[in-house]
Amino acid sequence: AQSVTQLDSQVPVFEEAPVELRCNYSSSVSVYLFWYVQYPNQGLQLLLKYLSGSTLVESINGFEAEFNKSQTSFHLRKPSVHISDTAEYFCAVTPSGGSYIPTFGRGTSLIVHP
Amino acid sequence: EAGVTQSPTHLIKTRGQQATLRCSPISGHTSVYWYQQALGLGLQFLLWYDEGEERNRGNFPPRFSGRQFPNYSSELNVNALELEDSALYLCASSFASGTNTGELFFGEGSRLTVL
Repeated sequence: AQSVTQLDSQVPVFEEAPVELRCNYSSSVSVYLFWYVQYPNQGLQLLLKYLSGSTLVESINGFEAEFNKSQTSFHLRKPSVHISDTAEYFCAVTPSGGSYIPTFGRGTSLIVHP
Repeated sequence: EAGVTQSPTHLIKTRGQQATLRCSPISGHTSVYWYQQALGLGLQFLLWYDEGEERNRGNFPPRFSGRQFPNYSSELNVNALELEDSALYLCASSFASGTNTGELFFGEGSRLTVL
């Protein structure tokens, strides 16, 4: 079984400041890792994913995440946030073989202040 | 290309009633997942359907049930509604399990309110 821990339920930050949203996971098998974003009154959208290869993955809107196998972490970072980044962010893991059921963290609410 | 569509957007029921939620996956996707998103609890896995079969279910009572139709659309039924069933119900689809990486494509959800 897998578990995902998002260490911060809420992260307030000022516009143009850097931000890091933390995600740690636990699994006895190899996993695929994902970050999803949920804007108010909407479903979740994939932000970025790690399947294999380079441990640093990037999204088209400036977010990046680094897979750290030894620390079982997949933290999400952005060097300069915008008001429009205000949303709920979810980290998820899926076993890389067998069951294809993603396990989600409880989410981190990123609140960007002007 | 149409995304995952869910209906209804909002649904208000009273305790003891039944609710039916519907989901149409992205064309070409054969797997459908249902998640419950209750306030402060993140996403809780409910059900997974693939190729018309129920492949797995989460830790929910049997009054949560569903099915997948031949066109891969899906229905979630919640019987004997309780107040704590109030939540956003999210449907997601993905490619067939043999080529699945766990990447999900979500609908906008159905908000169920139980009074």
